[in-house]
Amino acid sequence: NAGVMQNPRHLVRRRGQEARLRCSPMKGHSHVYWYRQLPEEGLKFMVYLQKENIIDESGMPKERFSAEFPKEGPSILRIQQVVRGDSAAYFCASSPGASTVGETQYFGPGTRLLVL
Amino acid sequence: EDQVTQSPEALRLQEGESSSLNCSYTVSGLRGLFWYRQDPGKGPEFLFTLYSAGEEKEKERLKATLTKKESFLHITAPKPEDSATYLCAVLENTGTASKLTFGTGTRLQVTL
Repeated sequence: NAGVMQNPRHLVRRRGQEARLRCSPMKGHSHVYWYRQLPEEGLKFMVYLQKENIIDESGMPKERFSAEFPKEGPSILRIQQVVRGDSAAYFCASSPGASTVGETQYFGPGTRLLVL
Repeated sequence: EDQVTQSPEALRLQEGESSSLNCSYTVSGLRGLFWYRQDPGKGPEFLFTLYSAGEEKEKERLKATLTKKESFLHITAPKPEDSATYLCAVLENTGTASKLTFGTGTRLQVTL
């Protein structure tokens, strides 16, 4: 059973370009979460999505960042007009979405974004 | 706002030297407390979920316990391969919200 998959694993962008990060959840999982880990800082929640719905985007910066989880295909985190401060590791996690009790979130290997 | 504090920030043990990592938290209602292990350059790897005070979980040399204010990760007779950053996270009981709030982790190094 494949785990959470993320690609690319490493992404280099110049300031002002767009970054698109992809996440395929574990098989059978319908909930996806995105977290950001800045150097020397802890993981910070960004957004929580179910298929075709954004449930909680309270951790997402108001500008330049967007996320989607379409009916078909992976979840996408898009960062427009990247700046050096966007350089970080971006992790995706997934959970089954079948329980009202706190579900375990399983993490992918991350995408390391470097903005030059 | 949720607060999760882990201590110590870093811990160096000799192989076989048992110790405990601490995670203290303040939330209005705990839906779950999670322990993860993270190796350099990799994503967090799930270890344990604890739901209520008094609960304990074990896996090989690791044992996690939970009280109303903190959780401990006990490491018995550690080996060098246990070297990693150990992360604690809480899930607050707030309707549909399912975001994990993480501590900054304890960096564990186990030497021969």
